Amino acid sequence: DTAVSQTPKYLVTQMGNDKSIKCEQNLGHDTMYWYKQDSKKFLKIMFSYNNKELIINETVPNRFSPKSPDKAHLNLHINSLELGDSAVYFCASSYGHSQQIGQYFGPGTRLTVL
Amino acid sequence: AQTVTQSQPEMSVQEAETVTLSCTYDTSENNYYLFWYKQPPSRQMILVIRQEAYKQQNATENRFSVNFQKAAKSFSLKISDSQLGDTAMYFCAFMKHTTGANSKLTFGKGITLSVRP
Repeated sequence: DTAVSQTPKYLVTQMGNDKSIKCEQNLGHDTMYWYKQDSKKFLKIMFSYNNKELIINETVPNRFSPKSPDKAHLNLHINSLELGDSAVYFCASSYGHSQQIGQYFGPGTRLTVL
Repeated sequence: AQTVTQSQPEMSVQEAETVTLSCTYDTSENNYYLFWYKQPPSRQMILVIRQEAYKQQNATENRFSVNFQKAAKSFSLKISDSQLGDTAMYFCAFMKHTTGANSKLTFGKGITLSVRP
């Protein structure tokens, strides 16, 4: 039933490690996004993909690499984790050509880097 | 670049009363969309209401309505008959209209709303 799902919901790891977050949507949307919510709750876009093609890359360090195996999945891999990467990461999806409908968000993944 | 400003960091309202959350934005675009999202303590981001800039009529979804003033670049959210479950952080968001799929949401800093029993 879940429209946009993310795994894991919580991720605690050491500095320098590599980790991945997975996202899947069953809404039939063709566009998916990653947003970062920092400790002050500010939300900012990181990436978007449309039909597996990278559309938006919002000046994110290249330690972050998104991958979209198909239009229903968008994963986020983070290399060499740093303390400043601690945040909540949200996946979202939408219809690229019906933007007025809005974007639908997953439950978020809280990443804590120690 | 677009900016979204939510100047009130927090508000409180008595259950069953009405509250209005403010939002202003700055853009040179003429065609765009505005949204309010709710983030309860569960962390889930929930779309509350949407407004298309070319529509003059204010959007309404049950107890939620907006006051969209395009010339003033203002987009406030009114919650009527407040319920305890409305306690959450509320984010105002802007999206420029694009012909491709390169849309993105620009968020305000959010406002924390507490509904008192």
